[in-house]
Amino acid sequence: QVQLVESGGGVVQPGRSLRLSCAASGFTFSTYGMHWVRQAPGKGLEWVAIIWYDGSDKYYADSVKGRFTISRDNSKNTLYLQMNSLRAEDTAVYYCARVQCTGGSCYSAPFDYWGQGTLVTVSS
Amino acid sequence: DIQMTQSPSSLSASVGDRVILTCRASQSISTYLNWYQQKPGKAPKLLIYAASSLQSGVPSRFSGSGSGTDFTLTISSLQPEDFATYYCQQSYSTPPWTFGQGTKVEIK
Repeated sequence: QVQLVESGGGVVQPGRSLRLSCAASGFTFSTYGMHWVRQAPGKGLEWVAIIWYDGSDKYYADSVKGRFTISRDNSKNTLYLQMNSLRAEDTAVYYCARVQCTGGSCYSAPFDYWGQGTLVTVSS
Repeated sequence: DIQMTQSPSSLSASVGDRVILTCRASQSISTYLNWYQQKPGKAPKLLIYAASSLQSGVPSRFSGSGSGTDFTLTISSLQPEDFATYYCQQSYSTPPWTFGQGTKVEIK
């Protein structure tokens, strides 16, 4: 069965860095686009970043552009989110989610499976 | 960016009730609209994609409709396990992928 397992969350001081991982299993990871979505405590869902199935395209929310980097290692079935210059407003549960790309495009696909999330707390 | 607005923000309903949730886009998104259910402490779960297609394994009491700017998610007979927060999301004009603020369905 499809499994997405995030890890790497924790408490970090403002301005520091953290790298999240999302380990995938139960499907052919290299054929799916992958997103990061976050949810601040008590708030709604906010899209963070996407990477194409082959890593050829990446997009970021304006709120994280220039600070966060999404990447993947298809040989390890793992998605990453490198988060630099962290701010208090980055505090959230971070979810990875997969999308089935069609005709090489991942723009329109629904997020059909999500991981359980990992909590990032930015605080001094 | 396309803004998604859900109404109501919360509602109280009883088991067996028919419940209708609404989502409005700030511009036309055709049928590129998805619905997710999220229970406390859990990850979101895809219910409906492309406005009206039921995701595999989702009970048939859930249905979606709409196109353009106005969409609805209907739960035909509310069950105890349906008490959750529901989010709509557009995938028409991306990036960014945008979500509504959510509708919380509570027990009356």
